[in-house]
Amino acid sequence: GENVEQHPSTLSVQEGDSAVIKCTYSDSASNYFPWYKQELGKRPQLIIDIRSNVGEKKDQRIAVTLNKTAKHFSLHITETQPEDSAVYFCAARPQNFGNEKLTFGTGTRLTIIP
Amino acid sequence: NAGVTQTPKFRVLKTGQSMTLLCAQDMNHEYMYWYRQDPGMGLRLIHYSVGEGTTAKGEVPDGYNVSRLKKQNFLLGLESAAPSQTSVYFCASSYRAEGEQYFGPGTRLTVT
Repeated sequence: GENVEQHPSTLSVQEGDSAVIKCTYSDSASNYFPWYKQELGKRPQLIIDIRSNVGEKKDQRIAVTLNKTAKHFSLHITETQPEDSAVYFCAARPQNFGNEKLTFGTGTRLTIIP
Repeated sequence: NAGVTQTPKFRVLKTGQSMTLLCAQDMNHEYMYWYRQDPGMGLRLIHYSVGEGTTAKGEVPDGYNVSRLKKQNFLLGLESAAPSQTSVYFCASSYRAEGEQYFGPGTRLTVT
């Protein structure tokens, strides 16, 4: 089955700086890669996703890049703000068999230092 | 539109006791999921359902059972709770296999 590794497990950045979180996956058949944000005590919520037919996707201050050859994808947050402090999870889903299931990474706790 | 709801929000069990967690969604979603979240381990899939009357095992199914008798409800049962099942449990649903998963607010379960 799919295996998703996520790094780093914790990340602290100064407000206004950029943050990058990286994930690698094992199943070359995976073609959908979402990112979820979980604020303290809250439920995970989708913030951005990318499919394997594109290499990059942006939504205001957040962007995701995908390198299918190397089987890794990254979340980029620019001009970080205090409200970006949260735990971020990456995930991967295969294209065919098992495509109803997401495999999640272990999460990155991002802290924005004012 | 309540989205995905979970009952109860908190529960403390003694080892060997049983309980059922209820997940309900009002979005007419076909797919429903149960995850557990433990520190440093992310979200791990326990069981899932691709439609009313169907269930399937996920990554960590041992010690849990599920039922999907109605499309809008997905129940997670613990027949004989163990301390290793202390966790936060999240339910999620999606309209289709490749759709966004919407999560419930979670249930914090402690087994002593």
